Amino acid sequence: QSVLTQPPSVSGAPGQRVTISCTGSSSNIGAGYDVHWYQQLPGTAPKLLIYDNTNRPSGVPDRFSGSKSGTSASLAITGLQAEDEADYYCQSYDSSLSGWVFGGGTKLTVL
Amino acid sequence: EVQVVESGGGLVQPGGSLRLSCAASGFTVSGNYMSWVRQAPGEGLEWVSIIYSGGNTYYADSVKGRFTISRDNSKNTLYLQMSSLRAEDTAVYYCARVAGRTRGAYYFDDWGQGTLVTVSS
Repeated sequence: QSVLTQPPSVSGAPGQRVTISCTGSSSNIGAGYDVHWYQQLPGTAPKLLIYDNTNRPSGVPDRFSGSKSGTSASLAITGLQAEDEADYYCQSYDSSLSGWVFGGGTKLTVL
Repeated sequence: EVQVVESGGGLVQPGGSLRLSCAASGFTVSGNYMSWVRQAPGEGLEWVSIIYSGGNTYYADSVKGRFTISRDNSKNTLYLQMSSLRAEDTAVYYCARVAGRTRGAYYFDDWGQGTLVTVSS
């Protein structure tokens, strides 16, 4: 049971927009801690996708965007491409656990 | 170019020990915060441990008292000493450089390819 809750899977057709939610609580996202997102392509290591809720590292397409409100955060992907098919994880800090926590991951399927 | 390369994984019996290494290039381990994150087969990511540039160390409750994070500045290498290993420690272990302004904003910027640890008799 992950501290941050994500839907197990989402899907969309090429060119469409999908969103992935990340729901936390008052000891993590709701406490004001930043949310970060990672993309893990099949058989590879995770890669930083969004940091500090909304920022993209250099090289990440602007099709990827992040937002945060209250105890939740979201990752939006527009103009879906086949290469976006991957697992996506959110991450934050939890003051009750005194450690860094991840969501359970969401598998994105491009139809 | 920033790069981290893990090594040291393998098969170990329950109750055994193993030391993982993470060789860094393009930056200094001593000047950065470094962390270990693991991923059990078919499962999600789990933060394991962090070492601050000043030397402070922190652990997830699941490994506290059994794992020790350390570094060798002369070799620019991060380590994870694992003891009293359990079947549930079976995972790919990733080394990552930590970035962020404050403790509550830390994230994992540069990741290695991971090394697989299998705990089984």
